[in-house]
Amino acid sequence: DAGITQSPRHKVTETGTPVTLRCHQTENHRYMYWYRQDPGHGLRLIHYSYGVKDTDKGEVSDGYSVSRSKTEDFLLTLESATSSQTSVYFCAISWTDHYEQYFGPGTRLTVT
Amino acid sequence: EDQVTQSPEALRLQEGESSSLNCSYTVSGLRGLFWYRQDPGKGPEFLFTLYSAGEEKEKERLKATLTKKESFLHITAPKPEDSATYLCAVVDYGGSQGNLIFGKGTKLSVKP
Repeated sequence: DAGITQSPRHKVTETGTPVTLRCHQTENHRYMYWYRQDPGHGLRLIHYSYGVKDTDKGEVSDGYSVSRSKTEDFLLTLESATSSQTSVYFCAISWTDHYEQYFGPGTRLTVT
Repeated sequence: EDQVTQSPEALRLQEGESSSLNCSYTVSGLRGLFWYRQDPGKGPEFLFTLYSAGEEKEKERLKATLTKKESFLHITAPKPEDSATYLCAVVDYGGSQGNLIFGKGTKLSVKP
């Protein structure tokens, strides 16, 4: 398995609270990504990073922010969680922007 | 707009009964097509990358092929352990860096 860990693995939070999810890699890959997976929608890109402090928006970025201060860590923050952000969140890494991406184990987030 | 469509949504096979999964795509310029396997409660597991029409890749009972409009994942003599959801994704030359566009997947069940 690619060296990707996500924390926490499960979280229940209340509407309006801030939440931060962490992705940590030991592979020294340049690119890191955050996706969400919902029934009927498949996997959708939230934000991605192409280097330390270099990030950009994906398809469904509203309500989310990211930060990458070190190569190995990519943080996803929900500033004020909403019920529509209940989902499974996956982090992924890749060497370049057109090579295969390797996924982490996921974080199941429930916003009540 | 880029689009990836997988069919069928679900497929039930008997052990040993070979079949194919389809992934049709519409992109301005294909940079790569990826197949993943996803087990319940886990992150997608990378299987294959295909870059150009006519290319084929094999791994155990799985064989992936690519044409200019679609890709097939052929499963030969499947076993119950091949049961999973199979995801197809593409990267478009005109899209954001490394933005994988996923289909909704085909859920494969193989009965003994």
